[in-house]
Amino acid sequence: DTAVSQTPKYLVTQMGNDKSIKCEQNLGHDTMYWYKQDSKKFLKIMFSYNNKELIINETVPNRFSPKSPDKAHLNLHINSLELGDSAVYFCASSRQGASGNTIYFGEGSWLTVV
Amino acid sequence: AQKVTQAQTEISVVEKEDVTLDCVYETRDTTYYLFWYKQPPSGELVFLIRRNSFDEQNEISGRYSWNFQKSTSSFNFTITASQVVDSAVYFCALSEGYSGGGADGLTFGKGTHLIIQP
Repeated sequence: DTAVSQTPKYLVTQMGNDKSIKCEQNLGHDTMYWYKQDSKKFLKIMFSYNNKELIINETVPNRFSPKSPDKAHLNLHINSLELGDSAVYFCASSRQGASGNTIYFGEGSWLTVV
Repeated sequence: AQKVTQAQTEISVVEKEDVTLDCVYETRDTTYYLFWYKQPPSGELVFLIRRNSFDEQNEISGRYSWNFQKSTSSFNFTITASQVVDSAVYFCALSEGYSGGGADGLTFGKGTHLIIQP
């Protein structure tokens, strides 16, 4: 069983569309994250949720909206997609934050905006 | 502000050679955690090790070893007798301590692309 699973793995869509990436973890963790990896492989945190509450919201356009229906799920919705949104998006989870606890990542979702 | 520097963007060695990946970090906290992750060509991020700031003991796991030196703010990673399967991008990351708990997240270095040639 995959500990952190995200769908879809690959997504090709046109500019202006709205899309969602779903994430689920079965590790019993209370903290979930979204990270973005750009074309140069640079990884940066976008959001983090602890017990369904938004904790970190880095400088990310308002077009990106995370939603956490429960502790095991953190979905990422993107409105009005732009070419620059093309990247790999990683979902991750840990117990009470990275301090002292390991963050486990999903396999990534490759988003291509054309 | 916290920062992680991996100065080596790409390293290429021949199989069976030893190779060391450098990681230098900056933080104002006295409590922090350091991590290494591996990203193979298939793209997933694989956890390798976590080390807290109070534990400077070096660690060895098979062909992998890590050298943590607070005096130089470094957390270097050595692969002994490298193999082709070690080819990947390796990321060093830092998390600062947060006494109130919660979701701290990781600050990543830019990664080192390791190429092991047969």
